[in-house]
Amino acid sequence: AQSVAQPEDQVNVAEGNPLTVKCTYSVSGNPYLFWYVQYPNRGLQFLLKYITGDNLVKGSYGFEAEFNKSQTSFHLKKPSALVSDSALYFCAVRDRGDSSASKIIFGSGTRLSIRP
Amino acid sequence: DTGVSQNPRHKITKRGQNVTFRCDPISEHNRLYWYRQTLGQGPEFLTYFQNEAQLEKSRLLSDRFSAERPKGSFSTLEIQRTEQGDSAMYLCASSFSEGPNQPQHFGDGTRLSIL
Repeated sequence: AQSVAQPEDQVNVAEGNPLTVKCTYSVSGNPYLFWYVQYPNRGLQFLLKYITGDNLVKGSYGFEAEFNKSQTSFHLKKPSALVSDSALYFCAVRDRGDSSASKIIFGSGTRLSIRP
Repeated sequence: DTGVSQNPRHKITKRGQNVTFRCDPISEHNRLYWYRQTLGQGPEFLTYFQNEAQLEKSRLLSDRFSAERPKGSFSTLEIQRTEQGDSAMYLCASSFSEGPNQPQHFGDGTRLSIL
């Protein structure tokens, strides 16, 4: 069965410092991996995705994520955090070999708080 | 604005009433998804359409829930005889159908509160 784990409910970082939001996954085959961000009372916004190729994926707003197959992880990173990055972040996974839409699984989310 | 649009943004109703939500996807997208999100959780898949065909429904979608996309454009989600447990954010998303790696574009959701 597919699953996604975001082990931290909340991450607190000072503005200007690097940030990492962790995600680990479990699928039977090879994964498609996604990160989304959600601001209060808004829908999810797509940040980036890993399909194939380079393990370091660059996305919107200066975010990037590193795919690590041996550790089954896809951590979200940013070199220098901004107060405006404060939001709820969701990791999502889809089994590459499964065409069923229902198999897109979202993590429970990590609240990122950037202090000035 | 050519994003996904959902109406209403908020709905407050008494238990037992019927409610209907509308989603207008990005016009070029032929896939449309409905999700439910409760506080502190990620979105949970409910159902999806490819054009006007409803191709998959989650076990979460009880008999009281019905979704339609009659002309392959906008979609409606109806909940009959609402219950307290139906209180949640209902999210709609759309995407291209070419390849399962296409990201989904979400609307801002309809927040349902059952009194």
